[in-house]
This record gives sequence, structure tokens and C-alpha cells, in this order.
Amino acid sequence: EAGVAQSPRYKIIEKRQSVAFWCNPISGHATLYWYQQILGQGPKLLIQFQNNGVVDDSQLPKDRFSAERLKGVDSTLKIQPAKLEDSAVYLCASTPWGNEQFFGPGTRLTVL
Amino acid sequence: GIQVEQSPPDLILQEGANSTLRCNFSDSVNNLQWFHQNPWGQLINLFYIPSGTKQNGRLSATTVATERYSLLYISSSQTTDSGVYFCAVGSEYGNKLVFGAGTILRVKS
Repeated sequence: EAGVAQSPRYKIIEKRQSVAFWCNPISGHATLYWYQQILGQGPKLLIQFQNNGVVDDSQLPKDRFSAERLKGVDSTLKIQPAKLEDSAVYLCASTPWGNEQFFGPGTRLTVL
Repeated sequence: GIQVEQSPPDLILQEGANSTLRCNFSDSVNNLQWFHQNPWGQLINLFYIPSGTKQNGRLSATTVATERYSLLYISSSQTTDSGVYFCAVGSEYGNKLVFGAGTILRVKS
């Protein structure tokens, strides 16, 4: 069974530029999560989708971050404009109707 | 919100030694997962264990939900066990995971 796919794996941009990350969850998984992991910390939830609807985006900085999951399958997370403090690993996870979450390899973002 | 504390924050072992990592959480949970984050940043699922005991090779885990803690046991450690171990909990079905700060494990040959 294929795991959660993410791209790109690495991205370097300058502050105030925009960037987008893509995630394809495990086939059949209805719930998709985006987490941000700052160096030296545990991951923290940015947004949770159930099919193509948002369940929880309370920790998403909506002035610069946006995310969508239009067809209830893959998802895109965008940052515009990026700040230095957005340097982090962005992790996508998915789960079926059950509870156990499975994570993708992550996208490492560096903002200069 | 729910709080998760992991101990110890750092652990250095000689190859072949055993270790116990602890995770305390502040409220009742219906999801608890242990992960190993490898040097490339990938979170590897070790255990899904909201209660009870499980074993997988040299690793085992126990969660005592009524006392709000979980333990991860690593026996006969190997250098490939090095990395960061995270405990993460969820308080509602299908809801987000709240992660601890992790335990950094270094196994020396």
C-alpha cells in the first residue's frame, strides 16, 4: 500500500515570496491533516480536512496561509507572503475513518 | 487543551542497552501514538496504543489510560534506533494529535 506522498521535499525561498506544497494521502483516507514542525519541537496542527470540508483551522495563520482539498483527495497548502519564522518542516498526515494517523516524508522549507 | 510531557529529553545509550521512555498526558485520550523520527525527518509509526500493551520485535509499549501515562521500551538498542521519539495523543475520535517535545536518543557503538 502506497504511503502519504508529499512534494517538493525541499524548498528554499526568500521572505515575501509565495510557496505551495502538495500532499496525496493514502488511498481511501477521508481525513487529511497539515502539521508544521519547527526545529527542535514536535509537530503542531495547522488544518484538518474531512473529505473536502475543513474540520479545524484554528491554528492556521489565515492572513498568509491557505489550504484546500477540492475533490476530497489531494491537498495543497500555500504560504503568501512567507516570513522567516515560517522556516519549518510541513508534514501531511491522513487517516481512514479510524484513528491512527500516517505521515508523509514532509517538505522542508527554508525562508531566507 | 491537552498537555503532553515526555521524559527524558535526551538519552545516550551504549549499543545493546535497554531503555524506557515515558509520556504523561493531562486528560483522557482515545488516541495515543508513538513515532520515531529518523534523521531525514520522516515520522515512522511505532505503535497505536490508546490503552493496553503491544510488542513489535525489540520494542514494546504500555499505556495506562486511567493513570494518564504511556511507556515505550527499547531492548538491545542498536545504532539505527537513534533519532527522536515522539508521543502524540488525541482527545477526540479522528481529531488532531498533540505532540510532546520528544526524546532524543543516541545509541553509541
